Amino acid sequence: DSGVTQTPKHLITATGQRVTLRCSPRSGDLSVYWYQQSLDQGLQFLIQYYNGEERAKGNILERFSAQQFPDLHSELNLSSLELGDSALYFCASSRDLYTGELFFGEGSRLTVL
Amino acid sequence: DAKTTQPTSMDCAEGRAANLPCNHSTISGNEYVYWYRQIHSQGPQYIIHGLKNNETNEMASLIITEDRKSSTLILPHATLRDTAVYYCIVRVARTGNQFYFGTGTSLTVIP
Repeated sequence: DSGVTQTPKHLITATGQRVTLRCSPRSGDLSVYWYQQSLDQGLQFLIQYYNGEERAKGNILERFSAQQFPDLHSELNLSSLELGDSALYFCASSRDLYTGELFFGEGSRLTVL
Repeated sequence: DAKTTQPTSMDCAEGRAANLPCNHSTISGNEYVYWYRQIHSQGPQYIIHGLKNNETNEMASLIITEDRKSSTLILPHATLRDTAVYYCIVRVARTGNQFYFGTGTSLTVIP
């Protein structure tokens, strides 16, 4: 158990819909990261937050957005869903910006039909 | 961050040492080598990291060549639970932790 909690574990929805994935980081961790893993693309870095502020952006689509709240939990919002958005979405947390040890949650598996 | 090259797949007999190579010939002086692994569809797990010196922890050992252009992750006594995809990543320590995972090496431990 990494200490990172992601909900929901599984989600099935239809094209065009919007979903929200939630992540609670390890106690005391200030930084949260979101990754997408699909079969054909491997682990793709989406976005990083540190203490409520966006820190870095990776390959995140404009239809996707995220935020980190004052209690440090984070949400990833996916809208206008397409079939290709079906993937595992992982959240990770770290103590600060510079430590190299990321703790990953078990992921949220999104299926878009 | 420097690019890494890893074999696509490897096999290892249970109980033997698993040696996973990684080439990072364009690594810069301030870039660390990190290893993570991902057991089937679980979240990646940190294993070890190093800059110049060899490192060892309870999970594995990391051997970095003197010119730092390559490294080897060693699992001293592989078990079936070590079957996973192993990712070698190089990054500058103070760039904010945007880890970019490549395709990694799929290690299969054989009974």
